Amino acid sequence: GAVVSQHPSRVICKSGTSVKIECRSLDFQATTMFWYRQFPKKSLMLMATSNEGSKATYEQGVEKDKFLINHASLTLSTLTVTSAHPEDSSFYICSARLTLYNEQFFGPGTRLTVL
Amino acid sequence: RKEVEQDPGPFNVPEGATVAFNCTYSNSASQSFFWYRQDCRKEPKLLMSVYSSGNEDGRFTAQLNRASQYISLLIRDSKLSDSATYLCVVSQSGGSYIPTFGRGTSLIVHP
Repeated sequence: GAVVSQHPSRVICKSGTSVKIECRSLDFQATTMFWYRQFPKKSLMLMATSNEGSKATYEQGVEKDKFLINHASLTLSTLTVTSAHPEDSSFYICSARLTLYNEQFFGPGTRLTVL
Repeated sequence: RKEVEQDPGPFNVPEGATVAFNCTYSNSASQSFFWYRQDCRKEPKLLMSVYSSGNEDGRFTAQLNRASQYISLLIRDSKLSDSATYLCVVSQSGGSYIPTFGRGTSLIVHP
């Protein structure tokens, strides 16, 4: 299948700092990427849909000023968690949509711990 | 009613058993259907797409029932390595594509 990378895989930061997570589709172009969050033993929660060249669409309850999404190219989307708090600690996963078949391929995830 | 519903399980089965999961969806306009597998603390991985005519890949068979609005996943001859959470994903196609995930069904295959 198609490959999606995510960086960093793990990050520990202090409260109040910002953290940027990158999501790249390595062998295909993705006009649409998705950002999810998953708490332990919980289901994936869609945070936002990232469309190349336009503003992201956020799900209800997700603060767009706190979770900044940029999708500047067909292979890269970034999520920046601004002014991180301990409750932002979670597993953040991106996915890229392979348009032809509507399949999604996931990055390996970023485990964020905010102290 | 949730858009995509799955029995969370866990399904506890012995090695070699056959196990089946269902996933119901509420949006009759849904066009794309998938099963993903997620191991603990890992990202979901695409297991198989679900076509109208059904889809078989080795020990795994997926089927779609549009009339009753559900998809199924059948695993034959279960292996210990099949233990995971199986996620159902449903979406419309084209510009309105927003994938909706079920909460997942946990499968535990024991010796």
